[in-house]
Amino acid sequence: DQQVKQNSPSLSVQEGRISILNCDYTNSMFDYFLWYKKYPAEGPTFLISISSIKDKNEDGRFTVFLNKSAKHLSLHIVPSQPGDSAVYFCAASVAGTYKYIFGTGTRLKVLA
Amino acid sequence: NAGVMQNPRHLVRRRGQEARLRCSPMKGHSHVYWYRQLPEEGLKFMVYLQKENIIDESGMPKERFSAEFPKEGPSILRIQQVVRGDSAAYFCASSPYTTPGTAGNTIYFGEGSWLTVV
Repeated sequence: DQQVKQNSPSLSVQEGRISILNCDYTNSMFDYFLWYKKYPAEGPTFLISISSIKDKNEDGRFTVFLNKSAKHLSLHIVPSQPGDSAVYFCAASVAGTYKYIFGTGTRLKVLA
Repeated sequence: NAGVMQNPRHLVRRRGQEARLRCSPMKGHSHVYWYRQLPEEGLKFMVYLQKENIIDESGMPKERFSAEFPKEGPSILRIQQVVRGDSAAYFCASSPYTTPGTAGNTIYFGEGSWLTVV
């Protein structure tokens, strides 16, 4: 049972444009969400997080939006840069369990 | 380097041998997680440990796999009698202690250990 889903395995975006990566979840108990970026042969790098009491969190070029009623979150990257080309994972957790459930990832390719 | 340290980065084992993967958490972090990534798949939770204590091992295969986080030294993920299907990237992550019931903890990953079973 895949509780965290990233339905787009890949995405291509022109440099300078906006990249929008989507993530859906099924467990209404999830209350903390994170995005990670991963380059080949490296570990995932934390990007940004959001708790369920918020609907938006921004950090530089990265903004995460949370729609609790739709059980959907998205990561916006503006402007996109070639160095953003990587696999992006969303993750979710339930308070107190410390188990972070990851999606299957979306491969972003930013074209120069 | 204050990050999560994993070694070895690459490990080759023949079928039936044992594999030991080590992880030292970030300074000040008391929680360790192990995740596995099979080729072309996402990150799968395996086990969550505190010092001398396994908190959640619901993602660990029932046989051949074990994990520990001793009072002194790194966390160890041990795979006995490896098979080809164990070939994967194994990632360790760590986090600081958080009061139970509160959300908002971020986990930080190491560079991973790539196991190849031949």
